[in-house]
Amino acid sequence: QSVLTQPPSVSGAPGQGVTISCTGSGSNIGAGYDVHWYQQLPGTAPKLLIYGNNNRPSGVPDRFSGSKSGASASLAITGLQAEDEADYYCQSYDRSPSAYWVFGGGTKLTV
Amino acid sequence: EVQLVESGGSLVQPGGSLRLSCVGSGFTFSNYWMSWVRQAPGKGLEWVANINQDGSEKYFVDSVKGRFTISRDNAKKSLYLQMNSLRVEDTAVYYCARVMVGTTNWFHPWGRGTLVTVSS
Repeated sequence: QSVLTQPPSVSGAPGQGVTISCTGSGSNIGAGYDVHWYQQLPGTAPKLLIYGNNNRPSGVPDRFSGSKSGASASLAITGLQAEDEADYYCQSYDRSPSAYWVFGGGTKLTV
Repeated sequence: EVQLVESGGSLVQPGGSLRLSCVGSGFTFSNYWMSWVRQAPGKGLEWVANINQDGSEKYFVDSVKGRFTISRDNAKKSLYLQMNSLRVEDTAVYYCARVMVGTTNWFHPWGRGTLVTVSS
């Protein structure tokens, strides 16, 4: 059971848009900690997609955007392309000493 | 180009030990916190451990406390994870990642990972 909750799967047709949610609690996202997002293409290592809630590293297309409100965050992908098919993970910090840096369970995007 | 390359993964019996290594290049290794993150087969990501720049601060997820040790050798630009008393549930791909410090730290970039299989 992950500390941050994501839907197991989402899907969208090429050219359309999807949103992936990441729900936390008062000990992590709701406490004001930032949310970061990673993309993991099949058989590869995770890659940073969004940091600090809504910032894109260089090289990440502006089709990807992030937002945060209260104890939740969202990743929006517009103009879906076949190569966007991947697993997406949110990550934040939790005050619990059992696991400071926490991830969502991941969302499989099917295009 | 910033690169991280892990090594040391293998098949080990329950109760056994293993030492993972990660070599960094393309950045000033000694300036950064470093981390290990693992992914069990078909599962999600789980943060395992962090270490600060000079090795004086270390943090672990509860499930590995007392069994895993994280260390680094800045002269060799290397990060290590010593894993003792290994359990079947430690089976995973172990990724080395550089920690980016902000309001909330994040991981970037990641290495390709090394597979640890704990099985009899």
